[in-house]
Amino acid sequence: SQTIHQWPATLVQPVGSPLSLECTVEGTSNPNLYWYRQAAGRGLQLLFYSVGIGQISSEVPQNLSASRPQDRQFILSSKKLLLSDSGFYLCAWTSGQTDEQYFGPGTRLTVT
Amino acid sequence: QKEVEQDPGPLSVPEGAIVSLNCTYSNSAFQYFMWYRQYSRKGPELLMYTYSSGNKEDGRFTAQVDKSSKYISLFIRDSQPSDSATYLCAMSLNYGQNFVFGPGTRLSVLP
Repeated sequence: SQTIHQWPATLVQPVGSPLSLECTVEGTSNPNLYWYRQAAGRGLQLLFYSVGIGQISSEVPQNLSASRPQDRQFILSSKKLLLSDSGFYLCAWTSGQTDEQYFGPGTRLTVT
Repeated sequence: QKEVEQDPGPLSVPEGAIVSLNCTYSNSAFQYFMWYRQYSRKGPELLMYTYSSGNKEDGRFTAQVDKSSKYISLFIRDSQPSDSATYLCAMSLNYGQNFVFGPGTRLSVLP
């Protein structure tokens, strides 16, 4: 069966510091991968999606970036965090054959 | 008009009640419709996945899609306290892209 991992689970970072969040998927190959941000009381905002290694599409202009160095690894980064980057970051995957999308446990980021 | 609208609740019901959760949307091109359950501080869990109009049943859960009205529903029968969570509707245009989520409805099932 497929499993999706995210780490760290919780992160507190000062403004201006760098960020690296990692997501890995097990039990599938060639998944479509997604990064979402969920602000308190709001819906999920799609940040990036990837259909393959090195292929990244950005949905929202921001100071975040994403990379996919391996087939089942997706990384969300920032060079300098802003207060507005605080939120719950979720990684998700689909097989590419259907739109059944499965989410990881999330990373709660607080920028102070 | 927002692309997907959903009553944020909170919705409180007694244990055993039938719960009706709803979303409306504006883009008639959406083809795939999903419902997720999200417990506090956890990732969303896929509950139901449907394509186009019609009903789909899975245990105590029934999903309905009415594309002509641009309206989708999730019914929960015999609701349990463990159903207390936020329910998110989602929809997409085509495989793997253009997912749009509603803001979620918070449900509390009281024992």
